[in-house]
Amino acid sequence: GAVVSQHPSWVICKSGTSVKIECRSLDFQATTMFWYRQFPKQSLMLMATSNEGSKATYEQGVEKDKFLINHASLTLSTLTVTSAHPEDSSFYICSARDPLAGGEYQETQYFGPGTRLLVL
Amino acid sequence: KNEVEQSPQNLTAQEGEFITINCSYSVGISALHWLQQHPGGGIVSLFMLSSGKKKHGRLIATINIQEKHSSLHITASHPRDSAVYICAARGEYGNKLVFGAGTILRVKS
Repeated sequence: GAVVSQHPSWVICKSGTSVKIECRSLDFQATTMFWYRQFPKQSLMLMATSNEGSKATYEQGVEKDKFLINHASLTLSTLTVTSAHPEDSSFYICSARDPLAGGEYQETQYFGPGTRLLVL
Repeated sequence: KNEVEQSPQNLTAQEGEFITINCSYSVGISALHWLQQHPGGGIVSLFMLSSGKKKHGRLIATINIQEKHSSLHITASHPRDSAVYICAARGEYGNKLVFGAGTILRVKS
């Protein structure tokens, strides 16, 4: 089945530093990837839709200058949290669709394992 | 009111029990997803439904488009089924998923 990886799985950083999180589709090419954030005991919230070769589409309330998304290839999207602050501490999850999958599998989203970010 | 509502929020069951988790949505959808999130955070897609019923092992998912309601059933529940179950609705246009708050399931042996 389709596999999506994330790196790193967890990161601790000082306030004010930038953190880059990678999301890779390992066995398929993903023209679209999604970035989610999940705070403790809350459900996932979509942050942005990452489109290969073009600018990401951000959800309302998500600062595009703070959460930089780059989707430079069909298998890699990166999320950079710039000048991270403690309130950015969260669980960040990416997902991807396989546009070449047949039938209903084309609509299935495959989720990465997530990245836990702790900003001190 | 959230666009996607789940019930119950928390569910504790004894091993072997039949479990039902409900999901109601208030928007037009093209598909509804059921996801499973384990304590470590990893998410697995269980089902994607646009109509009718699907079965995979001990898991059954149903959807009633007219009533805007879906259910996830687990037969012969097992402690390893303990996880958070999330329903997510995909709108009629675009790829965006709207998530329910999740149901925390604990199955005791």
